Amino acid sequence: QVQLVQSGAEVKKLGASVKVSCTTSGYTFTSCDINWVRQAPGQGLEWMGWMNPNSGITAYAHKFRGRVTMTRDTSISTAYMELSGLKSEDRAVYYCAREAPGTSGYYFDSWGQGTLVSVSS
Amino acid sequence: SDEVTQPPSVSVSPGQTARISCSGDAFSDQYAYWYQQKSGQAPVLIIYKDTERPSGIPERFSGSTSGTTVTLTINGVQAEDEADYYCQSADSTAAYPVFGGGTQLTVL
Repeated sequence: QVQLVQSGAEVKKLGASVKVSCTTSGYTFTSCDINWVRQAPGQGLEWMGWMNPNSGITAYAHKFRGRVTMTRDTSISTAYMELSGLKSEDRAVYYCAREAPGTSGYYFDSWGQGTLVSVSS
Repeated sequence: SDEVTQPPSVSVSPGQTARISCSGDAFSDQYAYWYQQKSGQAPVLIIYKDTERPSGIPERFSGSTSGTTVTLTINGVQAEDEADYYCQSADSTAAYPVFGGGTQLTVL
């Protein structure tokens, strides 16, 4: 079955960077785009961007451009999301999500378990 | 506008029917999707392409659409259905997803 397993919780200083991994299994990694979505405490879901694991092409939400970088290592079926210049408002749970393959819609059929990123001063 | 709007909360008694609506211009030409998120867990897809249900999702969950409003209906609500529900569509070119703000379903 499809699984997305994310790296563990992180505590970072203001201004630092964090890199979260998302290791996939149960399907061909390069066949489905990976998106990243975050959720601040008590808040809703916020889309950050997507990456095509085959080509490495990315697209980021306006809000995160210049601070976020999405990459992948196809040899280990893993996607990464790095966020730099951390601010207190970046404290959130970060999810990777697999975009449903071969459809005319844009939605997510599998999600990672989430990674809590805390930012301290 | 890409915005989608849903009520912040809905309450229902066990066994009753819960309806959560979501509105936005995006739904006039893009599909609607619904996710269930229980406390401390990742979201789970429960409805895709307006009305389709993934395997393993109980039949009491259904989706419908009318113009720019989409609705998630839960028939015979159970205590285990207490969760946050998010609707989702996409921008007009399907270049990025658009989430509603979420609806907290309380089972009384």
